[in-house]
Amino acid sequence: GNSVTQMEGPVTLSEEAFLTINCTYTATGYPSLFWYVQYPGEGLQLLLKATKADDKGSNKGFEATYRKETTSFHLEKGSVQVSDSAVYFCALRIPGGGADGLTFGKGTHLIIQP
Amino acid sequence: AAGVIQSPRHLIKEKRETATLKCYPIPRHDTVYWYQQGPGQDPQFLISFYEKMQSDKGSIPDRFSAQQFSDYHSELNMSSLELGDSALYFCASSPGQGAAYEQYFGPGTRLTVT
Repeated sequence: GNSVTQMEGPVTLSEEAFLTINCTYTATGYPSLFWYVQYPGEGLQLLLKATKADDKGSNKGFEATYRKETTSFHLEKGSVQVSDSAVYFCALRIPGGGADGLTFGKGTHLIIQP
Repeated sequence: AAGVIQSPRHLIKEKRETATLKCYPIPRHDTVYWYQQGPGQDPQFLISFYEKMQSDKGSIPDRFSAQQFSDYHSELNMSSLELGDSALYFCASSPGQGAAYEQYFGPGTRLTVT
């Protein structure tokens, strides 16, 4: 089956620190990979995505590179802000043509302190 | 821009009661997905619809049913509620089925079963 494993939280950093949240996956096909962010009391928002090996997704200073050889999609940001505090979910989806759902990791709670 | 609308936002039910959650997709989106997120858990895919037909099925209990109507809104019907059904239920919509189309999430309905 398909699964996503991401680092346990909470992750606590100081403002302007470098961020890495690890994500690895297991998939029966060639997945598309995603990072979603969930702010308190809100729904999930797509942060970035990559659909094939070596693609780099980027948005709002966050980046992640699709590494097929290590089955990884680690999220990075060079300088975090207090407003980045949220829960981050790594997810995958197998392009099968149908309306198949996303498979999510357990989520990583990120806390940025001023 | 219009977003996915879910109603109600909060719902409190007792054990063995029934509940109906509603989802109104973004205009011109023909695909709807339902997810369940338990406390501190990752979202789990329940079911999806494309053009008013069930498209894919995830971990949806037999006590739950769903449908998509002619105006593309969707309803999730939950019967014989159990304490373990307490969760945040997300609806997402996309302008087509398949991994090429991004899923846009609503704010969720928080169901509490007492």
